Amino acid sequence: GAVVSQHPSWVICKSGTSVKIECRSLDFQATTMFWYRQFPKQSLMLMATSNEGSKATYEQGVEKDKFLINHASLTLSTLTVTSAHPEDSSFYICSASTHTGELFFGEGSRLTVL
Amino acid sequence: DAKTTQPPSMDCAEGRAANLPCNHSTISGNEYVYWYRQIHSQGPQYIIHGLKNNETNEMASLIITEDRKSSTLILPHATLRDTAVYYCIVRTADTGRRALTFGSGTRLQVQP
Repeated sequence: GAVVSQHPSWVICKSGTSVKIECRSLDFQATTMFWYRQFPKQSLMLMATSNEGSKATYEQGVEKDKFLINHASLTLSTLTVTSAHPEDSSFYICSASTHTGELFFGEGSRLTVL
Repeated sequence: DAKTTQPPSMDCAEGRAANLPCNHSTISGNEYVYWYRQIHSQGPQYIIHGLKNNETNEMASLIITEDRKSSTLILPHATLRDTAVYYCIVRTADTGRRALTFGSGTRLQVQP
């Protein structure tokens, strides 16, 4: 099946720094990618929808200036957590859509902000 | 997308069938039932989906009631690696430009 890869799988950073997470569709082109975050013992919450070549659409309550999303190519979307704080520590997951509408998920990236 | 209701947790003995129920009483005629699972600290994994007929693949079987108001995911011979949170999601099979909405799911614990 289709493969979606995230990098890094885990990252630890100091408070106030920025962290970039990459999401790549390895064997298909994804015009649409989605970013979720998941806090411990909770379900996945959609943060934003990313369309190649256009601005991302953010869910209510998600700060677009803090969570910068770039979808510059059909196989790569990036999420940058700017000025990270401990409350941003979470499991970030991306999902990519094939042209037939199937959705595949990355392995997730665990961010810990000290 | 129609709302789904799942039990928060279930246990199953290794080697036995795991039957995970899902209620979706407000499902529309053009909405499919999808099942995903999430093993701890991994991204969700697609399992199976169906519209009204029962479906089977190498991972599981999906039984949908005739009125489509509920369904059951069956793992025929559960193993310890099937321990995960299982999500039942109802949505239209559109172009994939809409994200999946995850509920709380059912935490399945397969016991040795």
